[in-house]
Amino acid sequence: QVQLVQSGAEVKKPGASVKVSCKASGYTFTIYAMHWVRQAPGQRLEWMGWINAGNGITKYSHKFQGRVTITRDTSASTVYMEVTSLRSEDTAVYYCARVNGSSWAGGFFDMWGQGTMVTVSS
Amino acid sequence: DIQMTQSPSSLSASVGDRVTITCRASHTISNYLNWYQQKPGKAPKLLISTASNLQSGVPSRFSGSGSGTDFTLTVSSLQPEDFATYYCQQSYSTPWTFGPGTKVEI
Repeated sequence: QVQLVQSGAEVKKPGASVKVSCKASGYTFTIYAMHWVRQAPGQRLEWMGWINAGNGITKYSHKFQGRVTITRDTSASTVYMEVTSLRSEDTAVYYCARVNGSSWAGGFFDMWGQGTMVTVSS
Repeated sequence: DIQMTQSPSSLSASVGDRVTITCRASHTISNYLNWYQQKPGKAPKLLISTASNLQSGVPSRFSGSGSGTDFTLTVSSLQPEDFATYYCQQSYSTPWTFGPGTKVEI
């Protein structure tokens, strides 16, 4: 069955970086784009960016441009999301989510990872 | 950026009640509006895509409607497993944005 499995929880100090992985299984990895969405405690979901798993093209929310990098390893069917210069406001659960349809417009998140809690604290 | 609002922010209901949640976009988004259900400590689950398309496996008591800027999610007869937070999300233009959520409580 289709499954997205993310790496485990992380605790980081302000200014550090974190890299979260998302391993896909049960479907052809390169056909779908993978997005990242985060949710700070008690807050709404926030879209961060996406990668075309086939050609590696990425697009980021302007809010995270320059501080977030999404990459993929097709041989491992895994997508990675790195956030640099972490601050306390980055404390959140980070989700990978597969998009069905176009990532430019009209798509929707039909499969989600289980989430990775990232805590930023001194 | 397109701003999404939802009303109410929370509601109390009983099993068997009909519940309607409203979502409004700050600009027209055609029918590029999706609905998700999230339970505590869990990832969101897609219920409805493109305003009214019920996802496979989702009970038929859920329905969606609307286009342009105004959308609704209706649960025709609330069941115990439906108590959760519901989010709308637009995919008309990036950044894709979510509403603040509607918490449905007993």
